[in-house]
Amino acid sequence: DAGVTQSPTHLIKTRGQQVTLRCSPKSGHDTVSWYQQALGQGPQFIFQYYEEEERQRGNFPDRFSGHQFPNYSSELNVNALLLGDSALYLCASSTGTFSGNTIYFGEGSWLTVV
Amino acid sequence: GEDVEQSLFLSVREGDSSVINCTYTDSSSTYLYWYKQEPGAGLQLLTYIFSNMDMKQDQRLTVLLNKKDKHLSLRIADTQTGDSAIYFCAAPMDSSYKLIFGSGTRLLVRP
Repeated sequence: DAGVTQSPTHLIKTRGQQVTLRCSPKSGHDTVSWYQQALGQGPQFIFQYYEEEERQRGNFPDRFSGHQFPNYSSELNVNALLLGDSALYLCASSTGTFSGNTIYFGEGSWLTVV
Repeated sequence: GEDVEQSLFLSVREGDSSVINCTYTDSSSTYLYWYKQEPGAGLQLLTYIFSNMDMKQDQRLTVLLNKKDKHLSLRIADTQTGDSAIYFCAAPMDSSYKLIFGSGTRLLVRP
């Protein structure tokens, strides 16, 4: 049973560029959430996707956007990259109903903006 | 809004017990979670406790929940060097889907 898989594991981008990160949820899970973890801090919620729609969003600018596909996998897109976007981006998967679910995270994608 | 706080650092000797503490503000939190993060890795779900429970034990891990004081603790028995990592407490905000994380407690296990 594959857990949450994310790609790529590491990438380096230049300021102003755009990046796409990908996530496949754990088998049986239909909900994907994205978190940003800056160095030395706890993860911060970006947004969550369920049934191919954004269900909830954290305090992140519109430069951060996402998508969920019919197979429940998801993409996180960040436009006009800033140095401050350098972080570990974590994908979390769970089931649609919040109550009583467990939330599993992937290994993350390390983004460095230079 | 929801806030989760943890102590930043804990150092213990191998074989001793470790206790990591966490406080949270949202009393409507249904589940409370503990995650482990090793250097350069993602988050590993260690355990979780439902808000109507006081205690949950899972092998070397014991979670205690004091709802009145909004205090959560994670006890690791017989701590090993492989337990050295950062431990995060997480609570959902306003019974929503958004997890709020503490800043993490760095556990160092000395041989």
